Amino acid sequence: EVQLLESGGGLVQPGGSLRLSCAASGFTFSRYAMSWVRQAPGKGLEWVSGITGSGGSTYYTDSVKGRLTISRDNSKNTLYLQMDSLRAEDTAVYYCVKETDVVLVPATPGMDVWGKGTTVTVSS
Amino acid sequence: DIVMTQSPLSLPVTPGEPASISCRSSQSLLYSNGYNSLDWYLQKPGLSPQLLIYFGSNRAAGVPDRFSGTGSGTDFTLKISRVEAEDVGVYYCMQALQTPLTFGGGTKVEIK
Repeated sequence: EVQLLESGGGLVQPGGSLRLSCAASGFTFSRYAMSWVRQAPGKGLEWVSGITGSGGSTYYTDSVKGRLTISRDNSKNTLYLQMDSLRAEDTAVYYCVKETDVVLVPATPGMDVWGKGTTVTVSS
Repeated sequence: DIVMTQSPLSLPVTPGEPASISCRSSQSLLYSNGYNSLDWYLQKPGLSPQLLIYFGSNRAAGVPDRFSGTGSGTDFTLKISRVEAEDVGVYYCMQALQTPLTFGGGTKVEIK
């Protein structure tokens, strides 16, 4: 069974750091790009960051550039999101998502597996 | 960035009746390979989103055939031929042509 299990969320003060992890199982991890998508309380979905299957290319939405860093360890089947200089507006449920191709764009056939999410709360 | 605009914001539906959601993009999503980089997702209450449609019109594995996607370029539509109670939730369109990937604001489908 294909599964994604996020961990590492929690309560952190503004300016603080967290590292999210996503353990993947049931598929050949290195063959697929991965993304992090977040959802603020009561709001819609926002794509945050993505990485190709090899890890050679990374992508970010503007609001997190320079603060959040995506990476992956294909030997451990694990995706990461290092979150630094956190702000209140980063408060959200963070979903780990599997793409259906080794690249993120263009014209890839969707994000077919989503984790259950991990909650990040940035507050003093 | 490509802006995705969905309508309506809320859609009350009667079981057994059809439903339709519109999604427009600020630029064409038609790629040179002939595919439209447009996906549809459904987030049921309390659950993670799930993929319904990719490339604008291809149903994902396990998606009932009452769901269909049409459109090309900048205008897309998700149709449910006969709504069932399990179809309630928030529907999102998303463009995958370029980063940042962007979602529409969502359409909440609820039973009348």
